[in-house]
Amino acid sequence: DSGVTQTPKHLITATGQRVTLRCSPRSGDLSVYWYQQSLDQGLQFLIQYYNGEERAKGNILERFSAQQFPDLHSELNLSSLELGDSALYFCASSIFDRPDTQYFGPGTRLTVL
Amino acid sequence: DAKTTQPPSMDCAEGRAANLPCNHSTISGNEYVYWYRQIHSQGPQYIIHGLKNNETNEMASLIITEDRKSSTLILPHATLRDTAVYYCIATHNAGNNRKLIWGLGTSLAVNP
Repeated sequence: DSGVTQTPKHLITATGQRVTLRCSPRSGDLSVYWYQQSLDQGLQFLIQYYNGEERAKGNILERFSAQQFPDLHSELNLSSLELGDSALYFCASSIFDRPDTQYFGPGTRLTVL
Repeated sequence: DAKTTQPPSMDCAEGRAANLPCNHSTISGNEYVYWYRQIHSQGPQYIIHGLKNNETNEMASLIITEDRKSSTLILPHATLRDTAVYYCIATHNAGNNRKLIWGLGTSLAVNP
């Protein structure tokens, strides 16, 4: 158990819909990262928040948005869903912006039908 | 960050050492080698990292060649629970989680 929690574990929805994925970081970690992992592909960095502020953006589509709340939990909002958005979405948290202090959650598997 | 190259898959017998190679011939002097693993669709898990010297922790050992162009992750006594995809990543140590280049890694199958 990494200490990072993500809900829901699985999500099945239809094209055009909107969903929200939730992440709670490890206690004490101020940074939250969101990643997308499509079938047979490496992790793609989407966005990073640090203590409530957006820190960096990666390959995040305009249809996707995220925020980090005062209690440090984060939500990733995916809208106008397309079939190609089906993927595993991981949240990670880190106390320092360093790979050895990055802990990943169990992921949310999104299926768009 | 330097590009890394790993074999797509490997097999290992349970109880034997698993030696996972990684080439990083363009690594710069201040880039570290990090290893993560991902057990079947779970979140990746950090294993170990190193700069020049060999490193060992409770999970694995990391051997880095003197010229730093390649490294080997060693799981000394592989178990079935070590079946996973192993990622080798070369990056600077600070401020770069968002810049990690996650390739396809090596899929290690530990067989009974």
